[in-house]
Amino acid sequence: GAGVSQSPRYKVAKRGQDVALRCDPISGHVSLFWYQQALGQGPEFLTYFQNEAQLDKSGLPSDRFFAERPEGSVSTLKIQRTQQEDSAVYLCASSLAGWETQYFGPGTRLLVL
Amino acid sequence: DAKTTQPNSMESNEEEPVHLPCNHSTISGTDYIHWYRQLPSQGPEYVIHGLTSNVNNRMASLAIAEDRKSSTLILHRATLRDAAVYYCIIRQGAQKLVFGQGTRLTINP
Repeated sequence: GAGVSQSPRYKVAKRGQDVALRCDPISGHVSLFWYQQALGQGPEFLTYFQNEAQLDKSGLPSDRFFAERPEGSVSTLKIQRTQQEDSAVYLCASSLAGWETQYFGPGTRLLVL
Repeated sequence: DAKTTQPNSMESNEEEPVHLPCNHSTISGTDYIHWYRQLPSQGPEYVIHGLTSNVNNRMASLAIAEDRKSSTLILHRATLRDAAVYYCIIRQGAQKLVFGQGTRLTINP
């Protein structure tokens, strides 16, 4: 079946630009997660949704980062006024419920110049 | 979150077994031990998880020490496709996964 998909796969942004990263979870999955992975590091948690409710946003590094999931399916991670330190791979994962196995997408590689 | 300690890297030969260790001395009684792996240029994928008893699935086996302070992921016959970073994660019931640095596994042909 279809897995988690993310778009775009690659994004180059100039410093100061706004970017929007999209995640299409597995159909029927209630929970959706965003992670950030810097080069050579393990993924780090950003935020978590259960349906359309954002239950945990403790990992968002600054108020420039914003995530939404308005209809409980597709999610968008928005980064305003991008900085070079935002360069990373952004991973989306979904699961049937919060404690179930998480299925990851391929990630969006963001490069801020 | 319970901390895990894994070797930075390991190397093995194709078609041989691989034993990937993980120490988690601060694990609590209800914490699950999860393993994920990340192949190059891909997102992490679930491998296996367990609580107290050893576990087997089509991908691997998980051996858990009696005191639960350590565990070992076993790949019975490594293939080149098993080259990846392997993450041992202690899941404390919270929804998020807390990844460490993982072990980079290299498989020699």
